[in-house]
Amino acid sequence: RKEVEQDPGPFNVPEGATVAFNCTYSNSASQSFFWYRQDCRKEPKLLMSVYSSGNEDGRFTAQLNRASQYISLLIRDSKLSDSATYLCAVNRGGGYNKLIFGAGTRLAVHP
Amino acid sequence: NAGVTQTPKFRILKIGQSMTLQCTQDMNHNYMYWYRQDPGMGLKLIYYSVGAGITDKGEVPNGYNVSRSTTEDFPLRLELAAPSQTSVYFCASSSGSQETQYFGPGTRLLVL
Repeated sequence: RKEVEQDPGPFNVPEGATVAFNCTYSNSASQSFFWYRQDCRKEPKLLMSVYSSGNEDGRFTAQLNRASQYISLLIRDSKLSDSATYLCAVNRGGGYNKLIFGAGTRLAVHP
Repeated sequence: NAGVTQTPKFRILKIGQSMTLQCTQDMNHNYMYWYRQDPGMGLKLIYYSVGAGITDKGEVPNGYNVSRSTTEDFPLRLELAAPSQTSVYFCASSSGSQETQYFGPGTRLLVL
């Protein structure tokens, strides 16, 4: 089993739709969780950190389920500009910030 | 504020050639990282550094070397390029062990 797993997609949704992605992780010692956005042929950019209590930033909501070992990203009212690949990243635990990245979920928002 | 910069943007190497990928950050971050990303895959950690003079291996270090003589710079060296090293290489930095990692724009490497 991979340490961090994501559904590769693509998720094809119309503008205005709500879409959700999950990311499962295998290391129960993981403490930090992140969602990154990566546009085609660009570097990953932090979308949001994922806190135990969940967090929201505009149309984006991230949640953590420690019992089932997954994090989720919900995007409401999808925009064309949301089309990208969404990478989850999980800290492996231990002293150093060694992030393990999922392979990403591709989102395509169409008119 | 430039953040994390990488050079070159793109390079073609012949098998057996050597090159150094440059990475510089101006955020005074102690932690720096090198990743590679193959098509359709996630990022894999090659090497990382927690401060000047300290480096350690990541998941896929074979075929690479790094050094960290200053806080700002973290070059990645390929000694004998192989086709399997064709990839996009990203450098990243963070201020602490649990903090956000910021990425450079990447170097696309093609080994023929």
